[in-house]
Amino acid sequence: QQQVKQSPQSLIVQKGGISIINCAYENTAFDYFPWYQQFPGKGPALLIAIRPDVSEKKEGRFTISFNKSAKQFSLHIMDSQPGDSATYFCAASEYGNKLVFGAGTILRVKS
Amino acid sequence: DGGITQSPKYLFRKEGQNVTLSCEQNLNHDAMYWYRQDPGQGLRLIYYSQIVNDFQKGDIAEGYSVSREKKESFPLTVTSAQKNPTAFYLCASSIDAGGNYEQYFGPGTRLTVT
Repeated sequence: QQQVKQSPQSLIVQKGGISIINCAYENTAFDYFPWYQQFPGKGPALLIAIRPDVSEKKEGRFTISFNKSAKQFSLHIMDSQPGDSATYFCAASEYGNKLVFGAGTILRVKS
Repeated sequence: DGGITQSPKYLFRKEGQNVTLSCEQNLNHDAMYWYRQDPGQGLRLIYYSQIVNDFQKGDIAEGYSVSREKKESFPLTVTSAQKNPTAFYLCASSIDAGGNYEQYFGPGTRLTVT
């Protein structure tokens, strides 16, 4: 079964610090890598996504770094804020196929 | 307001009873999905539908059933055959399932079976 392995399972960061969440995959046919953010009791929402033709994508304080040769991608949250406290899921898909989600990372930003 | 609605937010059932979770979208999306979320296990796909009157099993379809009689509706029935039904259930939709499109999620239904 295709898998996406996500780490760490949980993360505590001080306000203003950098939060880093990592994901690894096996299927080299994956060509779409989104990150979803989920607040407690809510459904996930798309945060940022990348395709393998670029190595980095930045949107505000959120950056995806993509390493195609290592089959890894990561989410960096700069200047982390208490409002960023949520569960983050990485995911991957191959064109025409279903999204495969990582297990999730619970982020807590301490003020 | 455009989006996905799921009802109810909380649902309690006795073991052995079937229960149906509602999912409605007004985004005019062709594709709809049902996921199950358990702590530490991410989102696991139960069923998905690419078009009205058609649906496919996901990774954990056993003990569940769906229907897609209307484009905007994709109800999920949790049957008594599902061995561990207590979970948070999420419905999602996307423009279509054939490409890499954003999935929009509903607020979820938390089902507790005792």
